[in-house]
Amino acid sequence: NAGVTQTPKFQVLKTGQSMTLQCAQDMNHEYMSWYRQDPGMGLRLIHYSVGAGITDQGEVPNGYNVSRSTTEDFPLRLLSAAPSQTSVYFCASSNQGAQSSDTQYFGPGTRLTVL
Amino acid sequence: DAKTTQPPSMDCAEGRAANLPCNHSTISGNEYVYWYRQIHSQGPQYIIHGLKNNETNEMASLIITEDRKSSTLILPHATLRDTAVYYCIVRVYGNDYKLSFGAGTTVTVRA
Repeated sequence: NAGVTQTPKFQVLKTGQSMTLQCAQDMNHEYMSWYRQDPGMGLRLIHYSVGAGITDQGEVPNGYNVSRSTTEDFPLRLLSAAPSQTSVYFCASSNQGAQSSDTQYFGPGTRLTVL
Repeated sequence: DAKTTQPPSMDCAEGRAANLPCNHSTISGNEYVYWYRQIHSQGPQYIIHGLKNNETNEMASLIITEDRKSSTLILPHATLRDTAVYYCIVRVYGNDYKLSFGAGTTVTVRA
């Protein structure tokens, strides 16, 4: 299994541009989440999904959209990039139900800079 | 989810045990204590979790006080590769898709 994969690894945008951060998992996990991590801080939840077709907002959802059309993919869209969205973005997945697997698996992250 | 308090940083000598404290005085009866770590620039990695009994796995041990208001993560023989930020998280079982990460403890293992 590749686990959780994210693309791109690095991205530089200009203010006002839009883009989509890709996230995919091959573990058949129901739950997927997007976090952002600013320098020196912990992760903050942006959006999450408990299954295909179901998404919800996290702590810092403004400026971001998500969709979950398949179990495997959970893309994060920046509608109009702002410098305040410069951060490292992590995608994660988990599978509720089996106690031994009730943990989140994180991707390697996407480092985004908005000029 | 209940809040947690961790020291901002600590040092540990290579080969010695590292004891990482976490205070969670407002923990509820159905909330678990989870530990994750984040090695520089990587995504967080699950370490261990527990409800009220002490737990041990291949990575670490988790000691939870009887009143469950605090816990200690023990890395039995710290190596340089254990240098990371360690996060103590309290949450209701099954809500792991929306974890709340604080600032964590930056652990530096020195040779």
